[in-house]
Amino acid sequence: DIQMTQSPSSLSASVGDRVTITCRASQNISNYLNWYQQKPGKAPKLLIYAASSLQSGVPSRFSGSGSGTDFTLTISSLQPEDFATYYCQQTYTTLSLTFGGGTKVEI
Amino acid sequence: EVQLVQSGAEVKKPGESLRISCKASGYRFTYYWISWVRQMPGKGLEWMGRIDPSDSYTNYSPSFQGHVTISADKSISTAYLQWSSLKASDTAMYYCARRSSSSKNWLDPWGQGTLVTVSS
Repeated sequence: DIQMTQSPSSLSASVGDRVTITCRASQNISNYLNWYQQKPGKAPKLLIYAASSLQSGVPSRFSGSGSGTDFTLTISSLQPEDFATYYCQQTYTTLSLTFGGGTKVEI
Repeated sequence: EVQLVQSGAEVKKPGESLRISCKASGYRFTYYWISWVRQMPGKGLEWMGRIDPSDSYTNYSPSFQGHVTISADKSISTAYLQWSSLKASDTAMYYCARRSSSSKNWLDPWGQGTLVTVSS
């Protein structure tokens, strides 16, 4: 299985801060990388697909970059509603999709 | 509107069987695979497996192979996740999600989740 390692596992930030979360794959996954946001008690929500494409309806302060093994999710100016847990997911191996361990963004 | 609506919370005893459901609406059910994802209390997301509703072809994560069964009934646009003998360690939230038609395989939308509690 391809392993996905996210860092940090948690971070503290303030409203207006620029936040960067990284995700590293154990092997080359091209741009088969998606990002999800999960708020407490809610289902995950797709933010970014194919490493850098913004899902419809997602604010433009979210952006994704990277290819190969190293990927980044950036929130350009953190808003109160962005406090949540973020997960990366590789979909390069269609027979076994895997998620990163998650990054909790706290106040 | 594309929607996945899951069945309600369940409380079961160890050794009991269970089937939970995920009903799709707003799109052609047989055109998109459905995945199931587990989230244990306070933990991250784990992909369990998926089904192609057009022919019921399934594949499972090695971690879940043999422990659960994924099925679908295309006549009622519903996917299922079932256990024949539950364990306490099956206590978790379970989500279904639709796979995109793209080769990039992202999951969207997701169901609201079904909480399964297994306790004696």
